[in-house]
Amino acid sequence: DTAVSQTPKYLVTQMGNDKSIKCEQNLGHDTMYWYKQDSKKFLKIMFSYNNKELIINETVPNRFSPKSPDKAHLNLHINSLELGDSAVYFCASSRRSYNSPLHFGNGTRLTVT
Amino acid sequence: DQQVKQNSPSLSVQEGRISILNCDYTNSMFDYFLWYKKYPAEGPTFLISISSIKDKNEDGRFTVFLNKSAKHLSLHIVPSQPGDSAVYFCAASALNTGNQFYFGTGTSLTVIP
Repeated sequence: DTAVSQTPKYLVTQMGNDKSIKCEQNLGHDTMYWYKQDSKKFLKIMFSYNNKELIINETVPNRFSPKSPDKAHLNLHINSLELGDSAVYFCASSRRSYNSPLHFGNGTRLTVT
Repeated sequence: DQQVKQNSPSLSVQEGRISILNCDYTNSMFDYFLWYKKYPAEGPTFLISISSIKDKNEDGRFTVFLNKSAKHLSLHIVPSQPGDSAVYFCAASALNTGNQFYFGTGTSLTVIP
């Protein structure tokens, strides 16, 4: 059973397009996240939602909009894609506690051409 | 500003020997530390954690050591096995950072048979 699943695994698209990445977790966790891993392999948080409420919103362009229809889902919509958006995006979930480990999905490799 | 650093991008170790991966942090408020293991095309997988009230935590072949005064933690793998070859990330969080985890840039471990 996949605990945190995200789709698609690969996404190739052209500049200016709009795309979405979906994430679902079946762990019963209250908190979900989006992380971006850039070309330097640095994992940086983008957003965090707790029970559908946005609790962390790092410095991310407004073109990125997370949406959480329920606490088991957190989707990421990206408008007007740019070359610099090419990266691997990871969804994660955890219990709502700073000392509870994150559980990651397998990532979505986004390539903008 | 990178608050968690892994200064060794790569490490090679003979099978059966000890692997030691190092991590340094700058924020003295961090009090929960984790190690993740990542295989290519997969998400990071939680490996082991330690809270600041301890200086050592052991789980099978994996031991994490924490030196709070030096703001340093390390992961020891004994004995190393070829299946341990992966990228290892350390991460840290604090009560006042909510659910925000700060990651290092990873160390790529190769265990040579």
